[in-house]
Amino acid sequence: NAGVMQNPRHLVRRRGQEARLRCSPMKGHSHVYWYRQLPEEGLKFMVYLQKENIIDESGMPKERFSAEFPKEGPSILRIQQVVRGDSAAYFCASSPNQFSGNTIYFGEGSWLTVV
Amino acid sequence: RKEVEQDPGPFNVPEGATVAFNCTYSNSASQSFFWYRQDCRKEPKLLMSVYSSGNEDGRFTAQLNRASQYISLLIRDSKLSDSATYLCVVTGSGGSNYKLTFGKGTLLTVNP
Repeated sequence: NAGVMQNPRHLVRRRGQEARLRCSPMKGHSHVYWYRQLPEEGLKFMVYLQKENIIDESGMPKERFSAEFPKEGPSILRIQQVVRGDSAAYFCASSPNQFSGNTIYFGEGSWLTVV
Repeated sequence: RKEVEQDPGPFNVPEGATVAFNCTYSNSASQSFFWYRQDCRKEPKLLMSVYSSGNEDGRFTAQLNRASQYISLLIRDSKLSDSATYLCVVTGSGGSNYKLTFGKGTLLTVNP
């Protein structure tokens, strides 16, 4: 049973380009969460999605960032017109239902570097 | 006050030492509490849940004091493999209990 799969694991983008990060949740999980970890900082909640629905995007920057979790396929975190401050590790996590305990599993992360 | 505040560290201890991590949280309505560990450039992994009654898992003991909004983690007989960053994690309250709030972490290095 594969865990949470994220790709790409490492991504380098020039300022102004777009970054697309993908997350396939664990089998049987329909709830996905994205977290961002800036250098020397703790992980920060970004967004919570269920299939075809954004439940909570309170942690998403107001501009340039968007997330989706379509009926088919992985969840995608999209960052448009990247800036150096977007350089961070982006972790996806999934759970079988709305997380309220310890049934949440993190992927290995996608490291974005903006040059 | 930060939502979750941890000892800044880093901690450098010899093998076999006992080390304690402290954490405070600001939201008195938080529902669940955890310690995670994160190795360098890896994902966070659940170490243990934390309960008011205290819980122990081998060399690890966690404690929660809701009145003072304080969480602790004690590691006894440290091993080299315990070297990692330890993250104090608190969930949201009410309908936001899915939202994990992480502390910045405390780096532990266990030396031979």
